[in-house]
Amino acid sequence: DAGVTQSPTHLIKTRGQHVTLRCSPISGHKSVSWYQQVLGQGPQFIFQYYEKEERGRGNFPDRFSARQFPNYSSELNVNALLLGDSALYLCASSLASGRNEQFFGPGTRLTVL
Amino acid sequence: QKEVEQNSGPLSVPEGAIASLNCTYSDRVSQSFFWYRQYSGKSPELIMSIYSNGDKEDGRFTAQLNKASQYVSLLIRDSQPSDSATYLCAVITNAGKSTFGDGTTLTVKP
Repeated sequence: DAGVTQSPTHLIKTRGQHVTLRCSPISGHKSVSWYQQVLGQGPQFIFQYYEKEERGRGNFPDRFSARQFPNYSSELNVNALLLGDSALYLCASSLASGRNEQFFGPGTRLTVL
Repeated sequence: QKEVEQNSGPLSVPEGAIASLNCTYSDRVSQSFFWYRQYSGKSPELIMSIYSNGDKEDGRFTAQLNKASQYVSLLIRDSQPSDSATYLCAVITNAGKSTFGDGTTLTVKP
């Protein structure tokens, strides 16, 4: 079975631009979570979606938004990019929300110049 | 105080030894606890999940949870050079909030 897939794998943007990252969960999983990981730190929780509804939000500015589609895939959007947004963006899928095990995709490496 | 704390390391053990990784958390309503392994340049890989007090064993890995002390650990027996990686502790509350520690870097020397 295919694992979590994310696209693109790498992305270079300039300050002020907008970016959309995409994620497809493991087949049968209905929940997707997004994380930001900078070098030397653990993943920081951004959003969790379950059955197309937002179930959790981390401490990130409103420039970050996300949505989940009927097929359970998800998009993370970041507006007005800052240099500090440069990071590895990780998508994790789980069967449901709450205490379920989360499985990560390979991530999207975003560089903001 | 961070919500999930781990010793950053690096932790160095000889091949064949037991590696002990520790994690403490501050939110008493935390219900789910996970250990992930992350190789350099790769995404985290789930190793163990534990939900109840006590020990849980899976092959060379044993997770230990003590909710009263708000402490979770991971033991790796017969450590191999391929175990060299950063180990991340993750905690999920009943509300679904997920918090990771910053990881402990383990080096297993041949």
